[in-house]
Amino acid sequence: DIQMTQSPPSLSASLGDKVTITCQASQNINNYIAWYQQKPGKAPRQLIRYTSTLVSGTPSRFGGSGSGRDYSFSISNVESEDIASYYCLQYDKLTWTFGGGTKVELK
Amino acid sequence: QVQLKESGPGLVQPSQTLSLTCTVSGFSLTSYNIHWVRQPPGKGLEWMGVIWTGGNTDYNSVLKPRLSISRDTSESQVFLTVNSLQAEDTGIYYCFRNSYGGYSDYWGQGVMVTVSS
Repeated sequence: DIQMTQSPPSLSASLGDKVTITCQASQNINNYIAWYQQKPGKAPRQLIRYTSTLVSGTPSRFGGSGSGRDYSFSISNVESEDIASYYCLQYDKLTWTFGGGTKVELK
Repeated sequence: QVQLKESGPGLVQPSQTLSLTCTVSGFSLTSYNIHWVRQPPGKGLEWMGVIWTGGNTDYNSVLKPRLSISRDTSESQVFLTVNSLQAEDTGIYYCFRNSYGGYSDYWGQGVMVTVSS
C-alpha cells in the first residue's frame, strides 16, 4: 500500500495566521489526494479533493496544491473554528491511505 | 435524507470476531462505494477497506488477513468483520460513502468498540 507521511504532527497558530501542512506519498499519486478536517467527537469532513478542488461548503481560506509525491494544505487567516485535526488521504490506487494527521491548536 | 449509521457490540473479548453493520438510507449501495475507517482513542484515522458499487472489495494490506466486507443491497446494509481481535483494535469505527473519484460527502456517526476481557 502507498504510505503517506504527514507533517507536522501538531502546530500552534494565532488567529489570522497562515498554516501549512504537508503530505508526502511513497510514490506518485497523480494528484489523487483529499484533505479532511476532524473536530473532537465528530466524524471527519472532507474539505478538498483532487489536490485543490474545494468541496462545496469549504471556505476559500482553505487551499491545496502539489503534484507527484508532494502535496500541501493551507489555511490562510486561521479562525477559531479551524482548530481541529487535519488528515490527508490518497486515493490513487484501489487501496486508500490516510496520513498520520496534524493537530492545529491556538497559540 | 442520506444517512449512514454504524451498529455493533460495544465490547468484544480478545481473540473473538467483531461484526459491525453500516445501515444506509437515502441512496443505493449500487450507486455509492462504502468504506470503513477506524480511529484508536487519541490517534489518527486508518482506512480499512471498501466495497465498490459492483460488489468487489479491497482491503488495507495489513488488515487484509483478518478483514471481510460484504453487503446486502436489499437491506441497504454493509457488513464489516474483523477476526482475531486484540486490544489494538479498540477504537471508533466509521463507514462513509464515496462516489466519483475521491469525493466523500456523508459519514456515519461512528461506533466505539472496546476489545477487553
